[in-house]
Amino acid sequence: NAGVTQTPKFRVLKTGQSMTLLCAQDMNHEYMYWYRQDPGMGLRLIHYSVGEGTTAKGEVPDGYNVSRLKKQNFLLGLESAAPSQTSVYFCASRTTGGAGGYTFGSGTRLTVV
Amino acid sequence: KNEVEQSPQNLTAQEGEFITINCSYSVGISALHWLQQHPGGGIVSLFMLSSGKKKHGRLIATINIQEKHSSLHITASHPRDSAVYICAVRPPTGNQFYFGTGTSLTVIP
Repeated sequence: NAGVTQTPKFRVLKTGQSMTLLCAQDMNHEYMYWYRQDPGMGLRLIHYSVGEGTTAKGEVPDGYNVSRLKKQNFLLGLESAAPSQTSVYFCASRTTGGAGGYTFGSGTRLTVV
Repeated sequence: KNEVEQSPQNLTAQEGEFITINCSYSVGISALHWLQQHPGGGIVSLFMLSSGKKKHGRLIATINIQEKHSSLHITASHPRDSAVYICAVRPPTGNQFYFGTGTSLTVIP
């Protein structure tokens, strides 16, 4: 099925551990995004990419790094996890142009203890 | 500050009722996006619009650019419509959307 696939779906980390979240899309979308969703707040942009090999900071980039080595994959890394990074993470992609709406992944629920 | 405000935050309706969810924004936009998030978390795109009105099944989205306001209507609501509805706007420049905090809708039989 075409779409955006996120792995893993759930993860529990200890403070200071590192991990990488993988987002893969098979729609040949140029733009890819990583958001976090916290209770009472709208989706907040962490980092995004407008094409293979390019990344840019969003609204809340601190503590995260990203890479887009292949057009279809967008990786989100946490080098040293903190409890404040407990959240639900969503990856999204879209085409360029005015009609390009988002396609979202199913989310990753991360708990940092 | 929040560029996108939604109302109401929570809404409970009886099955069959006509429902309206509102979205107001404070920035100029090139597009507005309505999204649906079901319990369990998946987010689905409902509409993307920049003017006028769009309809898909029982869902209708309207936008008034001058008033910086959009509404999402659900006709003949059903319990399966229970979800969080999220409004997002894209400024004329830049590549990101700004999201509202969502309206949680519960439709009871």
